[in-house]
Amino acid sequence: KNQVEQSPQSLIILEGKNCTLQCNYTVSPFSNLRWYKQDTGRGPVSLTIMTFSENTKSNGRYTATLDADTKQSSLHITASQLSDSASYICVVSASGTYKYIFGTGTRLKVLA
Amino acid sequence: NAGVTQTPKFQVLKTGQSMTLQCAQDMNHNSMYWYRQDPGMGLRLIYYSASEGTTDKGEVPNGYNVSRLNKREFSLRLESAAPSQTSVYFCASSPQETQYFGPGTRLLVL
Repeated sequence: KNQVEQSPQSLIILEGKNCTLQCNYTVSPFSNLRWYKQDTGRGPVSLTIMTFSENTKSNGRYTATLDADTKQSSLHITASQLSDSASYICVVSASGTYKYIFGTGTRLKVLA
Repeated sequence: NAGVTQTPKFQVLKTGQSMTLQCAQDMNHNSMYWYRQDPGMGLRLIYYSASEGTTDKGEVPNGYNVSRLNKREFSLRLESAAPSQTSVYFCASSPQETQYFGPGTRLLVL
C-alpha cells in the first residue's frame, strides 16, 4: 500500500535554532517528492520538489534531501524564524498517475 | 493574478442540505483537484480533472459530485450533506507537477 509517514508529529524549537523533519515513503513506482508548508488556516504552498536523481535541493533556509534507496527524505530548516511556525507536509507522487500521497504533516512551532 | 480562489470560506449546513463549493484558477492550468483535510489525516483526493470536460474519482468520492465547467472552474457538490463530510476542502490546480492550492472552505455539517 502506498504510504507516506512523517515524524515527529509536532516539534517546538526556539527561534534561531535548526531542525530536521523526516519523511518515509512506500510509494511505487516513485515519481517525485515534494515538501509543502501550510500556515494555519491556509492552503499548502510548495517549498521543494525532488525527482529520483536529486539528492539535495535548497530553497532559502529550507534544504530537502532524498535517499531513493532507503525511501527517506528530510527537510532541514536553518536559523528558524517565528514565521516558520506551520505544518510541513511531505507528498509523494507515483509515476504514470495523478495520485499524490500526502503525509499527515509535522506541526512546527517556533518560540521567541 | 489571484491564483486559486474558493468560495465560500465558511459554511454551516444541516444534515440533508445540499451545497456547491466553487473553485476557480487564473493560471491556465489543465489539471484541477478537490481534496478534503481532516485532523490527523493527510489530504485525501475526492475528485480530479485532467482537462476541461473530464473528471475522475479519487480516493474518497462517495457523497460528492463535480463539474468542470470550463478550464478555469471546477465545482464540488454535496447533494445531501452528512456530518461525516465536516472537513476543510481544498481545491488545487497544476500545470504538470507542482500543485497550487486555494485557501480552503471550512464546512460544518450539523
